Amino acid sequence: SQKIEQNSEALNIQEGKTATLTCNYTNYSPAYLQWYRQDPGRGPVFLLLIRENEKEKRKERLKVTFDTTLKQSLFHITASQPADSATYLCALLINNNDMRFGAGTRLTVKP
Amino acid sequence: GAVVSQHPSRVICKSGTSVKIECRSLDFQATTMFWYRQFPKQSLMLMATSNEGSKATYEQGVEKDKFLINHASLTLSTLTVTSAHPEDSSFYICSARDGGNQEKLFFGSGTQLSVL
Repeated sequence: SQKIEQNSEALNIQEGKTATLTCNYTNYSPAYLQWYRQDPGRGPVFLLLIRENEKEKRKERLKVTFDTTLKQSLFHITASQPADSATYLCALLINNNDMRFGAGTRLTVKP
Repeated sequence: GAVVSQHPSRVICKSGTSVKIECRSLDFQATTMFWYRQFPKQSLMLMATSNEGSKATYEQGVEKDKFLINHASLTLSTLTVTSAHPEDSSFYICSARDGGNQEKLFFGSGTQLSVL
């Protein structure tokens, strides 16, 4: 069956450390993968997109990797801050229109 | 970036009533909008794809007579939960793609529906 798994439901780290979130998928061949941030009671906000032919993408303190052999994406936040605390969702483009989301990882950055 | 406005943000209603949720693209035209449902600590579940000027496409298991979708213009899609029951209580979110950038999804702020 097709699955998108974000392995940690919750992740707690200390301010200043690097947060690493994992997204694994099975039985999909996505053209690209995206990461979104969702705050409580709000809609998700787009952060980064990485295509199937890209290994790594960076944006400020964010870094995403995409390994289509392992069927895995890693999402890193360096020099984490309490304001980074949120739920982070990975999403796969399955066909031209269809996006599927993981359940998310709730990140808490403690001061 | 593109803005999607969703109203109301929260609604409490009695069982058996119908609730309409609006989703507007404010600064772009959206020929396609998406409606999701999200339970606490769970993934966004796609309910239906709303197409301007035509019928919505519903995901398997979603009752089209229960969740009525209308996409009458390029900037407005509505979701009506008919004869709502407590099990319909959930967080409903719409999203759209900006025609100029088909890759990103822009989300509304969501509607928390509580059916008593």
